[in-house]
Formats: sequence, structure tokens, C-alpha cells
Amino acid sequence: EAGVAQSPRYKIIEKRQSVAFWCNPISGHATLYWYQQILGQGPKLLIQFQNNGVVDDSQLPKDRFSAERLKGVDSTLKIQPAKLEDSAVYLCASSSMVGDFQYNSPLHFGNGTRLTVT
Amino acid sequence: LAKTTQPISMDSYEGQEVNITCSHNNIATNDYITWYQQFPSQGPRFIIQGYKTKVTNEVASLFIPADRKSSTLSLPRVSLSDTAVYYCLAGTASKLTFGTGTRLQVTL
Repeated sequence: EAGVAQSPRYKIIEKRQSVAFWCNPISGHATLYWYQQILGQGPKLLIQFQNNGVVDDSQLPKDRFSAERLKGVDSTLKIQPAKLEDSAVYLCASSSMVGDFQYNSPLHFGNGTRLTVT
Repeated sequence: LAKTTQPISMDSYEGQEVNITCSHNNIATNDYITWYQQFPSQGPRFIIQGYKTKVTNEVASLFIPADRKSSTLSLPRVSLSDTAVYYCLAGTASKLTFGTGTRLQVTL
């Protein structure tokens, strides 16, 4: 099966500019996640979708970050305006899990978008 | 959320067995234990998952004692290509938290 696709692979912007990342999950996967991974740290969950509804966005800085998953398939994550501390890798993951049952529903990650804010 | 604690780094020689232990003292009844592997410039990759006792697949084994307060990922006969960061997670799919992981360095 095709994996999780993300684009772009790299992005360099200046602070206060805006940027958008795109994710295409594995076909049929109901749950989609966006993670932020700062260098040297583990991934941090930003937002979780189940189909096209938000399950958890408690760690999403909503004053500058937004995400949507139209039609329950592709998703975009936007940052506006960007800050220097937003420099990180943004990872998208998907799983076939529906509800809270996670056995045999591992997360499948894309290779991420590396964002550099100057 | 179950907080996990694992060593920051480990070193091994090629061909050895590597055991990485993870502590999760406040694991909840419904929580599973899942391990991921991450190479540079890639997203994490699922390795193995378990609830109790022992689970084995073609890549690794996972040992979980009866009290489930810790778990051990066992990698048999590691090779240079096993050099990566290994993350232990304890939770349910909607509540997964990655720590800083264990950086495994395999050398000749």
C-alpha cells in the first residue's frame, strides 16, 4: 500500500510569513494526526482528526496554527504568522483506528516537512 | 496520560542483542505499550505493540511483566542499520505521547 504522502519536503520562510503543509493519508484510514518535532525531541501531537472531525486539538496554538481535513481524506496544516520557534519537522500520520481502540492500529507516518523560519 | 521513562542513549556492537527498558509506572488498565523506530529525516515507524507478557514479530520482541509498570524491547543481533531513535509509548491511540526516546548507536 502507498504510504502517507506529505509536501513540501522542505520549506524556508521568514518570520511573520505564512506557510501551509499538505498530507495525503493512507487510503481508508479514518484517523489523521499532525505532529510537530523539534530537533532532538520526540514528536508532539498538534491535532487529531477522525474522518473530518477534530478529536483533539488541545496542543494546537490556535492563535497562529489552523488545520482542516475536508471530506475526511487530505489535510492541510497552516501557520500564520510564523515565529522562529516554529522551526521544526511537521509530521503527518494516519491510522485505521476508529474510536479509542488502538490494538492493531499503529500510526503510519509520512517523512515530514522540515520548516525553517528565519 | 502514562509518562514513560527510557534511557537517553545506548551503544552496541553489531551482532549483539540489545534490550531497551521503558518505565511506565502510572500505566492505565486500557493502555497498550507501543514502540516506534525513527531514522534521521524520516517519520517514526511502528515496531511492535503489546498489552502483557511477551509479543514477538520478525523485527523484535516485547516483554511486559505482570504489573505492566515497565516493558523491554529486545532487538536480536543488531546491525548498523538499527542505529536509530526508539520511542516507547504507553496509552490508547487517542492519547499517545512521545518522549525523547532512546538513541541507539550500533558500531562494528
